[in-house]
Amino acid sequence: DARVTQTPRHKVTEMGQEVTMRCQPILGHNTVFWYRQTMMQGLELLAYFRNRAPLDDSGMPKDRFSAEMPDATLATLKIQPSEPRDSAVYFCASGPGTFQPQHFGDGTRLSIL
Amino acid sequence: SQQGEEDPQALSIQEGENATMNCSYKTSINNLQWYRQNSGRGLVHLILIRSNEREKHSGRLRVTLDTSKKSSSLLITASRAADTASYFCAQYSSASKIIFGSGTRLSIRP
Repeated sequence: DARVTQTPRHKVTEMGQEVTMRCQPILGHNTVFWYRQTMMQGLELLAYFRNRAPLDDSGMPKDRFSAEMPDATLATLKIQPSEPRDSAVYFCASGPGTFQPQHFGDGTRLSIL
Repeated sequence: SQQGEEDPQALSIQEGENATMNCSYKTSINNLQWYRQNSGRGLVHLILIRSNEREKHSGRLRVTLDTSKKSSSLLITASRAADTASYFCAQYSSASKIIFGSGTRLSIRP
């Protein structure tokens, strides 16, 4: 079965450090999503891309977060500088279109000390 | 918060019983989808219902949609231990916005 792959699965780092999370979407999916999940806020859409172009990043704090798709097989989410409030599980998902079912990776569990 | 509303927040039932979860939304939708999340894993898509549909079935799952009340429900019949998970609805709005609900934690007692 094709899967969305996220790396790393876990990341612990100190406040102020740069964090990069990577995602390999399912081959053939043209839409890639980044979400953040916390107990308090639930699952929030941060940004999504179609055909590697950003369509909506209104959910993302622009001052420290950035999302890119350097090529069709790689999506990245960066936080610089990181803060303790960024601690969460970050999910990447891909799908064949904006309104179509999404396939989720198993997430990156991020802890900022 | 961008979360949609779901109720109940938590539900514990006996194996074999039916489980019903509800979701409400505020804007017009293109479709509404239900997902399941097992502990420590990503979400898994269960079922999609379009705005012009009223009911959809998939195996032991039944989803209804009432656009006049802006609500949807997910019914799991003849529950099993493996159904223990969190369930989320996701609103896909006509403005290309995607909003997930706050989730229902379902526990199935043996």
